[in-house]
Amino acid sequence: EVQLLESGGGLVQPGGSLRLSCAASGFTFSTNGMTWVRQAPGKGLDWVSHISPGGDTTIYADSVKGRFTLSRDNSKNMLYLQMTSLRAEDTAVYYCARGSTTLDVWGQGTTVTVSS
Amino acid sequence: DVVMTQSPLSLSVTLGQPASISCRSGQSLVYSDGNTYLNWFQQRPGQSPRRLIYKVSNRDSGVPDRFSGSGSGTDFTLKISRVETEDVGVYYCMQGTHWPRTFGQGTKVDI
Repeated sequence: EVQLLESGGGLVQPGGSLRLSCAASGFTFSTNGMTWVRQAPGKGLDWVSHISPGGDTTIYADSVKGRFTLSRDNSKNMLYLQMTSLRAEDTAVYYCARGSTTLDVWGQGTTVTVSS
Repeated sequence: DVVMTQSPLSLSVTLGQPASISCRSGQSLVYSDGNTYLNWFQQRPGQSPRRLIYKVSNRDSGVPDRFSGSGSGTDFTLKISRVETEDVGVYYCMQGTHWPRTFGQGTKVDI
């Protein structure tokens, strides 16, 4: 079964850091681009970042550029989102999803709350 | 960024009746490879988003055939031929042609 499982969310103070992880299973992870999408409480979907299959290319939304870093370990089938200088507006459920032009598999999400 | 505009933002439908959601993009979504990367997602209450339609009109496996997608260029539509109880949720369009990818605001469908 194709599956994505996010972890690492939690409560963090403004200005703090957090690393999200996404464990992939049931498909060939190393041949798929991967994406993070977030959803603030009661709001719509917000595209965050994408990484190419080999990890050599990353693209970020302007709202997170310079603060978030996306990486992957294809030997472990893992995706990572390092988040620094967190702001209240980063509070959201963060989903990892498979794909680039389309997102055909989504995880269940992990919740990040930025608050003092 | 390519702005994706959905309408209506809220839709109250009668069981068994049709429903239609419009999605307009600020730029053409035709990519250089000739494909149009317009997707539709469904998010039921308390659940993760689920892809319904990709490349304008291709329905995902397991998606009932009452769902259909159409359109071209900058103007797209998701139609539900006969709404059922399980269709309650929020529907989003997303363009996968331009960077950054962008979503519509979402259309809430209730009965």
